[in-house]
Amino acid sequence: QSVLAQPPSTSGTPGQRVTISCSGSSSNIGSKAVNWYQQLPGAAPKLLMYNNNERPSGVPDRFSGSKSGTSASLAISGLQSEDEADYHCAAWDDSLNGWVFGGGTKLTVL
Amino acid sequence: EVQLVQSGAEVKKSGESLKISCTGSGYNFFGHWIAWVRQRPGEGLEWIGITYPDDSQTRYSPSFQGRVTISADKSINTAYLQWSGLQASDTAMYYCARLLGDCARLGCSFGAHWFDPWGQGTQVTVSP
Repeated sequence: QSVLAQPPSTSGTPGQRVTISCSGSSSNIGSKAVNWYQQLPGAAPKLLMYNNNERPSGVPDRFSGSKSGTSASLAISGLQSEDEADYHCAAWDDSLNGWVFGGGTKLTVL
Repeated sequence: EVQLVQSGAEVKKSGESLKISCTGSGYNFFGHWIAWVRQRPGEGLEWIGITYPDDSQTRYSPSFQGRVTISADKSINTAYLQWSGLQASDTAMYYCARLLGDCARLGCSFGAHWFDPWGQGTQVTVSP
């Protein structure tokens, strides 16, 4: 069971906006930055969002991140077929003294 | 281009030893922590541990402490993950990733770092 809680799956149609939640506690999300990773089918994870809401170079501005208290969210607007992937949230945990991940959310574009 | 290239897939039997590698290029390898992450079939990501190639410091997740050994050889820009007695439950994809941060702006604590880039992964299959 993962320390950070994510919904196992979500879906949307092209052009739609979807959000993926990531819930933690005061020892991780509540006090540390959240990062998001996109894992396309059969591929390695790739950095999608860091420091809660900063996009690496090359990531479209359709992707946005936010954090409030002990929860974080990833939003994808103007959904495209190539966005179909698994999305993982992660943060450092002061109690466990290490990084913790969510279980991942599988996004299906209908 | 910053890149991490991992060694190829492995098929082993329970009880055997194994060492997989991760070779970095395109950046100052010995000046960045390297992390190892496990992904079992159909499951999420799990942090195993990290190593700092310049002085071989290591840190482990309590879940993996004593079960694996992480090391690095900065002379050949390579980090390693090894097992001395594999179990069927070790069957998984293993990824390495560079720790990246912006110390000047965000501070240098581990909590202010993220994993980028990732290696392509090494599939480890252990039969009972």
